[in-house]
Amino acid sequence: AQTVTQSQPEMSVQEAETVTLSCTYDTSESDYYLFWYKQPPSRQMILVIRQEAYKQQNATENRFSVNFQKAAKSFSLKISDSQLGDAAMYFCAYRRLNSNSGYALNFGKGTSLLVTP
Amino acid sequence: KAGVTQTPRYLIKTRGQQVTLSCSPISGHRSVSWYQQTPGQGLQFLFEYFSETQRNKGNFPGRFSGRQFSNSRSEMNVSTLELGDSALYLCASSYLSGTGGYEQYFGPGTRLTVT
Repeated sequence: AQTVTQSQPEMSVQEAETVTLSCTYDTSESDYYLFWYKQPPSRQMILVIRQEAYKQQNATENRFSVNFQKAAKSFSLKISDSQLGDAAMYFCAYRRLNSNSGYALNFGKGTSLLVTP
Repeated sequence: KAGVTQTPRYLIKTRGQQVTLSCSPISGHRSVSWYQQTPGQGLQFLFEYFSETQRNKGNFPGRFSGRQFSNSRSEMNVSTLELGDSALYLCASSYLSGTGGYEQYFGPGTRLTVT
């Protein structure tokens, strides 16, 4: 089974600064998807960014970017120019590329991000 | 396009009762997955349905069941409720076409409290 580990239960960043959230995963598969989801206090899970393992280029979405290190099985999220609205729980998730038995997301335990003025 | 909707949003039940939660996916999405979120266990996969067929099931007891209707709406049922079933139940829908459409879009969740 694939496991996802987020080693930072809590992180803090000042407004306008940059913060990096860590995620490592364990898999024997060569192709898969990785995601970062954001869960604000409203509890609504919001997709932040996705990465296909077969793509070498790191994904970027506005102020959010990832550092995908396939060999190291590492998938960190960088948030630039942090805003108060970025405060939330962030979950790293893994999904198989292709499976007849479904496409369940395996989530890490999450990192709580606090943004201070 | 309307997002994923879940009803009810909040529910309080007593131990031993049963409960049914409903999820309406985004229009055109054929896959619905359910997750349980608790402070202790985090987010855990319950089951996934695609075109009315259960494709995958997580490691939960048989008290947890689900189904999907021809319009892709899904329900999950928990029988003989236990205190440990108190959780936020999240539904996610996905288009899924071959290896594409892999993004899952989540609903706001149903907060179940068992007393």
